[in-house]
Amino acid sequence: QKEVEQDPGPLSVPEGAIVSLNCTYSNSAFQYFMWYRQYSRKGPELLMYTYSSGNKEDGRFTAQVDKSSKYISLFIRDSQPSDSATYLCAMSPEGTGGFKTIFGAGTRLFVKA
Amino acid sequence: EAQVTQNPRYLITVTGKKLTVTCSQNMNHEYMSWYRQDPGLGLRQIYYSMNVEVTDKGDVPEGYKVSRKEKRNFPLILESPSPNQTSLYFCASSGGQSNEKLFFGSGTQLSVL
Repeated sequence: QKEVEQDPGPLSVPEGAIVSLNCTYSNSAFQYFMWYRQYSRKGPELLMYTYSSGNKEDGRFTAQVDKSSKYISLFIRDSQPSDSATYLCAMSPEGTGGFKTIFGAGTRLFVKA
Repeated sequence: EAQVTQNPRYLITVTGKKLTVTCSQNMNHEYMSWYRQDPGLGLRQIYYSMNVEVTDKGDVPEGYKVSRKEKRNFPLILESPSPNQTSLYFCASSGGQSNEKLFFGSGTQLSVL
């Protein structure tokens, strides 16, 4: 079993839809939970960053972490064609400077105009 | 502009011919790392470095070498490339132990024939 499980999709939605992306994990030591967005032929860029459990909102994006269920989510409201990308969940233990970050396989999202 | 620069972007080579992929960051980051990205497998860490002259193996180090002689540079060396090393490679850096955010380069697409 992988430490981080993520459905690779692809996920295709119409413009304006609410998108839900999810990951599950098995390592209870993870404390930092992140979502990276990767456009085609580009490197991943950090989109959302959460420490421990709870919700975090940034514009149209909301990240949720449920440590009791070992489940994290990213919601995109009013999705736009420019949101079409691969979304990678990522998580790491406390204080490792990112070098123990484990990534999900990524979910490809297509938002149709 | 803060960035991680990788070169080359595309590389086609033959089995056994030594190659080096360069990586440089201008953010004075302590931590640097190399990943490979394969379909369905996500990002897997090859090697990482916590500072100059300090390197360690990641999850898939076989067939790769690294060095960290200067803080800004972290080259990836394939001394005898094989076809199973055909992949998309990313270099990343972060600010250190209390900072989990990773900055990625634009990637190097390597094909080993």
